[in-house]
Amino acid sequence: SYELTQSPSVSVFPGQTAKITCFGDALPKQYAYWYRKKAGQAPVLIIYKDKERPFGIPERISGSSSGTTVTLTVSGVQPEDEADYYCLSVDHSDTYPVFGGGTKLTVL
Amino acid sequence: HEQLVESGGGVVQPGGSLRLSCAASGFNFSAFAMHWVRQAPGKGLEWVALISYHEINKFYTESVRGRFLISKDNSKDTLYLQMNSLRPDDTALYYCARESREGSGMDLWGQGTTVTVSS
Repeated sequence: SYELTQSPSVSVFPGQTAKITCFGDALPKQYAYWYRKKAGQAPVLIIYKDKERPFGIPERISGSSSGTTVTLTVSGVQPEDEADYYCLSVDHSDTYPVFGGGTKLTVL
Repeated sequence: HEQLVESGGGVVQPGGSLRLSCAASGFNFSAFAMHWVRQAPGKGLEWVALISYHEINKFYTESVRGRFLISKDNSKDTLYLQMNSLRPDDTALYYCARESREGSGMDLWGQGTTVTVSS
C-alpha cells in the first residue's frame, strides 16, 4: 500500500522557521495537502494543492513541492503553532487518500 | 454557519456493529463528497472512506473494506458509516469531513465521535 513518510518530530525556538517534509513517490504527479491537529481539536486544513493557503491561514505558513518531497514551512514560529502536522495525498491510482504519519512540532 | 456534528459512537464488543452519523448544516450537503477519517489512541490520522456527492462512488481503506459501508442521505443532510465485524483495532475517534468542490482538500471537519471496541 502507498505510504507518505514524515519525520516524527521537529523542535524550534519561538521566532525561528520550522520545515516539515513529506516524502512519497507519487507526489510528482499528485497534489499534497497539509493539516494541523491540536490535542482535543479537529484537524484544520492549512495548505492545499501543494502551496495554496485557505482563507484565514497566515502568510507565514507556506507549502512547496519538489519531486517526491513536499515541504511545509512555518516562519516566525509562535507557541500556538505547537501541534501535529499531517500531509495527505492520493496514491498512484489517483483514488485513495493517504495521510503521512504526522510530525510533532514542538516550540521550545 | 457551516457545521458537521458526528454521533453514534460508543462501546461495542468485538464482532459487533455500530452506525455513525454526521449531520451537516449551513451548506448544500448534496453538492459535496464526504470522508470519514479516524485517529486511534496515540496514533496518527487515518483516512477511512469516501463517498461522492451523488452517492454513486464509494471508496474504502483496505482494512475496513467489506466491513464498513459509507452512505449519505442528501434529503436528510446526513452522512453515515455502518461499521460491522468490529475489531479492537477499529477503536478510534472518528471524524467526518467535507471534500471541497474544487478538490482543495477536506475543508470542514466535525469534532468526532469515539468508538471503543472491547470485550
